[in-house]
Amino acid sequence: NAGVTQTPKFQVLKTGQSMTLQCAQDMNHNSMYWYRQDPGMGLRLIYYSASEGTTDKGEVPNGYNVSRLNKREFSLRLESAAPSQTSVYFCANARAGFGETQYFGPGTRLLVL
Amino acid sequence: GESVGLHLPTLSVQEGDNSIINCAYSNSASDYFIWYKQESGKGPQFIIDIRSNMDKRQGQRVTVLLNKTVKHLSLQIAATQPGDSAVYFCAEHWRGYGNKLVFGAGTILRVKS
Repeated sequence: NAGVTQTPKFQVLKTGQSMTLQCAQDMNHNSMYWYRQDPGMGLRLIYYSASEGTTDKGEVPNGYNVSRLNKREFSLRLESAAPSQTSVYFCANARAGFGETQYFGPGTRLLVL
Repeated sequence: GESVGLHLPTLSVQEGDNSIINCAYSNSASDYFIWYKQESGKGPQFIIDIRSNMDKRQGQRVTVLLNKTVKHLSLQIAATQPGDSAVYFCAEHWRGYGNKLVFGAGTILRVKS
């Protein structure tokens, strides 16, 4: 039982390159989330999926897109990476909605040059 | 100069002592609160939670106290161990105002042996 898994663990991109961050969960939870964590700041929500088939913008969605591929998988795509997107990205899930405990993956560390 | 927000408050405690980590939350309508532990290079790990209809909740070596009058949350760790060294942050569920989880930046706990 791995919980929430993320790939890759670390990535270096050049400005303008694209990439997809993958997230999968084996907890059978309905809701999934993508956050970014920057030094000295709280986690900020990029996008979320309340249930399979739905996605919504969070606090900082610009420059990102998401796909809820099925109940298990929720991917985050950067179409044209910018240095401001250098961050640590965390995927999380919850049984159902924001009023429930969120469980986090190990993170993807992204450096955009 | 150094940027505001990059430096988290730090609590240094002696091994075996009790630790108290504080969090001031922002929304008087928040109804659910979570404490997370984040070790260096890892994802946030759930520690304990509390609903707004409670004042206190105890786990294994940890206790969360909620004071709704002053919008204050605290995490008490008994008999602090070196393995407790990490960043601890709280999250509050904003009910009604966009329905989201809002995370604090955190406090660094350093345990001295």
